[in-house]
Formats: sequence, structure tokens, C-alpha cells
Amino acid sequence: GEDVEQSLLLSVREGDSSVINCTYTDSSSTYLYWYKQEPGAGLQLLTYIFSNMDMKQDQRLTVLLNKKDKHLSLRIADTQTGDSAIYFCAETPYGNNRLAFGKGNQVVVIP
Amino acid sequence: DTEVTQTPKHLVMGMTNKKSLKCEQHMGHRAMYWYKQKAKKPPELMFVYSYEKLSINESVPSRFSPECPNSSLLNLHLHALQPEDSALYLCASSQEQKRGDISYEQYFGPGTRLTVT
Repeated sequence: GEDVEQSLLLSVREGDSSVINCTYTDSSSTYLYWYKQEPGAGLQLLTYIFSNMDMKQDQRLTVLLNKKDKHLSLRIADTQTGDSAIYFCAETPYGNNRLAFGKGNQVVVIP
Repeated sequence: DTEVTQTPKHLVMGMTNKKSLKCEQHMGHRAMYWYKQKAKKPPELMFVYSYEKLSINESVPSRFSPECPNSSLLNLHLHALQPEDSALYLCASSQEQKRGDISYEQYFGPGTRLTVT
């Protein structure tokens, strides 16, 4: 079954890079997603990666996927105060209609 | 446009009240979802509608009753709720639910913050 793990709290200085990690256990997952949730708001889809890719870059965001280790990461370059939020990774295992979320990782950007 | 709207933004209700949450999307998506989210926790799936038919019910208590009147609208009717039902209720939509190994990204609304007193 799917079991997505994430670390909890990351403090980053404005302008530095942030790296958020996620480990999943279901190797059949075909898509992996990163969502951002600001306080009091819904989830914003940031980016996603197909499981046959190793890397995807989208402006300040870089997603790395290591299928062998079932490890997904999100790197945010030049972190801004607006990046303060909770970040959830999520997967849709093959044959499963459900979006399985990680526990979430809170990023706090220090000015 | 990837906007999903939800009303109301906040709702306070007593345990004997009946209320409804509303969700709307105009992206032509044929799958719509209700999630419940407690503070600092990931969303938990409640219901999925696919082509206006209930596709998944995650063993949700009957005091929550979903309805999909048309392809753009999704309601969640609430009756006789308990204080532990207080949470952020999120609606999401996707182009389709899932087809084989093709997944479709889900777009979320801003949520309704529900407090049951």
C-alpha cells in the first residue's frame, strides 16, 4: 500500500535555497505531485513529475525523483517570504484512484 | 483558469443544524472531490464523483451527504454534526478521475472552515 513520509519543519533564510524531501513506498506510482498550502488557504498545485522522469524544472522549482530509493524532493531556489507554507507531496499509485498525501513539511522563511 | 470556488468561507453551526457547503468549477472537469483536513494534517478523502455519479465513499458517516447536481457543482449537506467534525473542508476537481495509468492533477478550492458548536 502507499505510505508517503515527509519531514516536518524547515527554517530558511530569505534568498537561500530550500529542499523538501519525501519518501514513498509504492513503486507503482505513476505521477508524483507537490502541493503548497498557505495559512488558511486551500492546496495549490505547484508541479508534478511523471515517474519515468528524473528531474523537472519550473522557474524556481526543481523536482528530483529517485525511483530506486523512492525518494522525491522539491528544491526552491531564492526562497522568498511568500514561500512560507506547508508543502505536501502526493502520489497516485497505479490502479488506485486515490491521491495519497505525505504528512506535510512546514517551511518558514526568515527575512 | 484553474479556479475552484467554495462557499461559504467560514461556517459555524450547532449540532442540530442543517447546512450545506457548495463547490463550483468551470474547467469542464468531470471528477470532483470532497476532502476533510484537520490543522497541520494532510487532507483526507471523503467522496469522489465521476461524471456526476458517486464513485468513492470513504466510509464517511451518513451525517455527511454529498450531491452533484451537474458537472460544475458539488454540494456537501451537513446534518447533526459533532464537534469533532470541525475542520477545513476542501473541494477539488480534475479532468477525469483516473484512466488506466493516466492520472489527472487535482485542483483545490480555498476550503470552508467549519466549526461545530
